[in-house]
Amino acid sequence: EPEVTQTPSHQVTQMGQEVILRCVPISNHLYFYWYRQILGQKVEFLVSFYNNEISEKSEIFDDQFSVERPDGSNFTLKIRSTKLEDSAMYFCASSEALAGGETQYFGPGTRLLVL
Amino acid sequence: AQSVTQLGSHVSVSEGALVLLRCNYSSSVPPYLFWYVQYPNQGLQLLLKYTSAATLVKGINGFEAEFKKSETSFHLTKPSAHMSDAAEYFCAVTRGNQAGTALIFGKGTTLSVSS
Repeated sequence: EPEVTQTPSHQVTQMGQEVILRCVPISNHLYFYWYRQILGQKVEFLVSFYNNEISEKSEIFDDQFSVERPDGSNFTLKIRSTKLEDSAMYFCASSEALAGGETQYFGPGTRLLVL
Repeated sequence: AQSVTQLGSHVSVSEGALVLLRCNYSSSVPPYLFWYVQYPNQGLQLLLKYTSAATLVKGINGFEAEFKKSETSFHLTKPSAHMSDAAEYFCAVTRGNQAGTALIFGKGTTLSVSS
């Protein structure tokens, strides 16, 4: 069964460093998403991406974040200058683009720790 | 604005007992509703979803949920709990009703199952 994959599974970085989180969405899906889950808190939407541009973003997704589809398979989230509060589990998801209510399929997540 | 409230951050049941996890939503548009399950150190897996067809939705692993518009609820049930059901459960509503819209999650309910 097709699945969303994410690398790395864990990343530790120093405050102020740039990090890139990578995702490979399901191959025939056209919508891609990033969510995050700070330890002990709810899963929060960051951004959705369709047709090589941002479709929707939350207030969390400020100028320090960016997303890119650098090739035909990868989808990345870049955090330019990490802060302590960026420590969280980051989930990538993808869905088909048929209509509202499609299932979003989630990857296993990347746990980011900012020291 | 769309929101989800999950009553009870922790629910404990005995093996074989009824499972009831509560979810109430607020939505300014006809909602699409989802239940996801998260096992330790794994991503989010779809249990079931409501997309305006039948109000009683059946999902995987014997779970079902009933959409009640008058009560703005989408509670998750399972007649007989199994040890393998121990996990965290998230209810979610779509922010809009177009393709690719964000999921707004509740805080989650941890289900414990004792023998």
